[in-house]
Amino acid sequence: LAKTTQPISMDSYEGQEVNITCSHNNIATNDYITWYQQFPSQGPRFIIQGYKTKVTNEVASLFIPADRKSSTLSLPRVSLSDTAVYYCLVGAFAGGTSYGKLTFGQGTILTVHP
Amino acid sequence: NAGVTQTPKFQVLKTGQSMTLQCAQDMNHEYMSWYRQDPGMGLRLIHYSVGAGITDQGEVPNGYNVSRSTTEDFPLRLLSAAPSQTSVYFCASSYRDRGSLGYTFGSGTRLTVV
Repeated sequence: LAKTTQPISMDSYEGQEVNITCSHNNIATNDYITWYQQFPSQGPRFIIQGYKTKVTNEVASLFIPADRKSSTLSLPRVSLSDTAVYYCLVGAFAGGTSYGKLTFGQGTILTVHP
Repeated sequence: NAGVTQTPKFQVLKTGQSMTLQCAQDMNHEYMSWYRQDPGMGLRLIHYSVGAGITDQGEVPNGYNVSRSTTEDFPLRLLSAAPSQTSVYFCASSYRDRGSLGYTFGSGTRLTVV
């Protein structure tokens, strides 16, 4: 599975847009990019997944450039409740079929301040 | 409510004791996995299963056993607990052919080995 690199931590303020970038230089042709969110004392929660260009849902947007060597998770107008760890994963799914396992990196600790 | 159920939520063991962490899902997911999360670290994969009767090792399998006799259940057994196994354990499941929906995680089991 492709290795990912994310910032260890980020700080923001309520109402701002937050962009978390993930590098995945060795992404394979069939790999998808998936982001999870984890609150303290809870299991991770699936946020969004994409293959190329842009994907948007009710929670976030995912921007993927043409070379797919990086991706950016965008959280619009964050609130205090968005304080969490955000994980970028590459691989694990291809064309909608799961490979059966997820490999997590360290993740990015996002802290939203009042 | 549909989801992944883990029991117990908390457990204290003495070194050398054995126990089983239970995980059950009612979503008819083919894939199930066990992760451990240590303070300040991401999630590390212990074992995973792609279907009933099929299991495989993850990154940190030593000291743990699993079996998958039914689609719904995926118990994790600690044969002889050690202080190094003090951690929070998460179980997760997903569809095989609808991998774009991501994994669903349980709420975790906090284990302390003294």
